[in-house]
Amino acid sequence: QLQLQESGPGLVKPSETLSLTCTVSGGSISSSSYYWDWIRQPPGKGLEWIASIYYTGSTYYNPSLKSRVTISGDTSKNQFSLKLSSVTAADTAVYYCATRSVSYWGYWGQGTLVTVSS
Amino acid sequence: QSALTQPASVSGSPGQSITISCTGTSSDVGGYNYVSWCQQHPGKAPKLMIYEVSNRPSGVSNRFSGSKSGNTASLTISGLQPEDEADYYCSSYTSSNTYVFGTGTRVNVL
Repeated sequence: QLQLQESGPGLVKPSETLSLTCTVSGGSISSSSYYWDWIRQPPGKGLEWIASIYYTGSTYYNPSLKSRVTISGDTSKNQFSLKLSSVTAADTAVYYCATRSVSYWGYWGQGTLVTVSS
Repeated sequence: QSALTQPASVSGSPGQSITISCTGTSSDVGGYNYVSWCQQHPGKAPKLMIYEVSNRPSGVSNRFSGSKSGNTASLTISGLQPEDEADYYCSSYTSSNTYVFGTGTRVNVL
């Protein structure tokens, strides 16, 4: 049973870079079975897909965030990470990491709230 | 990319059936059988309910079913139960090799 756990600062200052890590257990990010995704949800609002990484290292980004986002993987730690630069209050959200089997997300982390504020 | 369009809320009494629509375009919902639905209770992570338009993951009640016609996908919940009260989101693969979610629907069990 795959388990995912997000970690990172809960508070980030405007204009700085948000950095989050997802630790995976019960499976390997080197597996060809899954894509590894980040999804966010602003308070009281809907879900937004941010980015994906595949075991080959291929990355995919939401066009609206692409200029500010980097997703990467660390197979030695079985983790994948998200960096979002130049954050504003609009980036305040619960950030989820999740596994995707081609087109659907079967496993999700519990989510972590990141607040952008000075 | 624009979010898929869902009704803000749908209500029903216990035992009734309700249907939630999810409208996109030929570049997403209409172009691929890669529509999924998730359920989200307050403060919880989303849970997959339907994948690839009409497939149910193991452990999901057969009261949940999905379908698609043209650019609109639908989720039907039959025999509505109090625990079905939650937010529901559709999602779709797009022609840009990205993914888009729906605006979300709050299901109220009266």
